[in-house]
Amino acid sequence: SQELEQSPQSLIVQEGKNLTINCTSSKTLYGLYWYKQKYGEGLIFLMMLQKGGEEKSHEKITAKLDEKKQQSSLHITASQPSHAGIYLCGADGGSARQLTFGSGTQLTVLP
Amino acid sequence: GAGVSQSPRYKVAKRGQDVALRCDPISGHVSLFWYQQALGQGPEFLTYFQNEAQLDKSGLPSDRFFAERPEGSVSTLKIQRTQQEDSAVYLCASRLRPTDTQYFGPGTRLTVL
Repeated sequence: SQELEQSPQSLIVQEGKNLTINCTSSKTLYGLYWYKQKYGEGLIFLMMLQKGGEEKSHEKITAKLDEKKQQSSLHITASQPSHAGIYLCGADGGSARQLTFGSGTQLTVLP
Repeated sequence: GAGVSQSPRYKVAKRGQDVALRCDPISGHVSLFWYQQALGQGPEFLTYFQNEAQLDKSGLPSDRFFAERPEGSVSTLKIQRTQQEDSAVYLCASRLRPTDTQYFGPGTRLTVL
């Protein structure tokens, strides 16, 4: 079965700083999803990557899927307190194309 | 438009009680998923419906867990004789087509005392 490892597990940054979260898969990624979760809430879809080398951006968040398709990174530029939360990567697979998730990265942005 | 909704948002049960968790997917979405999220972990797949057919229930942890979607829209996850290890957030997600993104509801936080 596929396993996803996220690093770091937690991250505390000062407002305005850039940061990167990594997601490494034990198998080739065919569809990689990034979600954000605030405590007590559901998952908010951020981006989906499918092709090796693909890069997508939304506002100050950029996600990339490496050429070998076993790692993805999420980069936040000039972080703000509103970026705080848990970031989860999920890989598409299985008979139902259900998602297998990493354990998440807890991001705290200090004002 | 309306997103995925779940009810109740919070449920406290005594060990041994039965509980029922409801999911209203996005209108028209064919696929519906249930996930279980333990504290500090990512969600884990429980079961999958395509319309009213339950096509995959490989993630259900025991025969105490049962899910249904009789008319292909609303789904209910039922847990019989709850145990403390069942305490978790139960998330529902829906999807229009197999290649589309899954959209999640706010979850139901179940606490078993």
